[in-house]
Amino acid sequence: AQKITQTQPGMFVQEKEAVTLDCTYDTSDQSYGLFWYKQPSSGEMIFLIYQGSYDEQNATEGRYSLNFQKARKSANLVISASQLGDSAMYFCAMREGSNTGNQFYFGTGTSLTVIP
Amino acid sequence: GAVVSQHPSWVICKSGTSVKIECRSLDFQATTMFWYRQFPKQSLMLMATSNEGSKATYEQGVEKDKFLINHASLTLSTLTVTSAHPEDSSFYICSAILPGGTSNQPQHFGDGTRLSIL
Repeated sequence: AQKITQTQPGMFVQEKEAVTLDCTYDTSDQSYGLFWYKQPSSGEMIFLIYQGSYDEQNATEGRYSLNFQKARKSANLVISASQLGDSAMYFCAMREGSNTGNQFYFGTGTSLTVIP
Repeated sequence: GAVVSQHPSWVICKSGTSVKIECRSLDFQATTMFWYRQFPKQSLMLMATSNEGSKATYEQGVEKDKFLINHASLTLSTLTVTSAHPEDSSFYICSAILPGGTSNQPQHFGDGTRLSIL
């Protein structure tokens, strides 16, 4: 089974609107971390936001927020007030607490296009 | 903080040559670094985990003799693509985590290297 599933290959959003990028995960660990990264066309991977499995509050970082639903094993990224510069690939990732090698599992990504 | 530098950004070379890519942690010591390969419009594929002072741990299907990884210091890991061929053309990107990191630590990425083998 896939550890991280992103079911939206591509998404479009109107500028200034909000958009939700879906991510579901699969783990039997109690301790784990969920991460979102942005990858513009230039290629660099930009860390956006983190959610810990024990965090009771949804993480927020500026215009980014994470809708964490533990029982459903989902960690959707919400981008508010979309800007043209938000057009990029977005990857959801997970790090399991039991993984002593510290590897991350990445989803297949969602390509977001912001329309003026 | 937690800046990772990767060099070079672009490489174009002839088939049969070897190419070395460097990954440096600029403001922290990284006992563990990761090397990924990414094909266009696809996700990152973990190639190997690079551990300072020991042999790298390669993922299944990655040729150890083809992709040589050396992590000689706490701030530098190198990936050498030996006898490169056109099928090795890809985007290679490294990352590092802060030492003693727990599951809440993100991986910090370099800017990647676009490798084109003619």
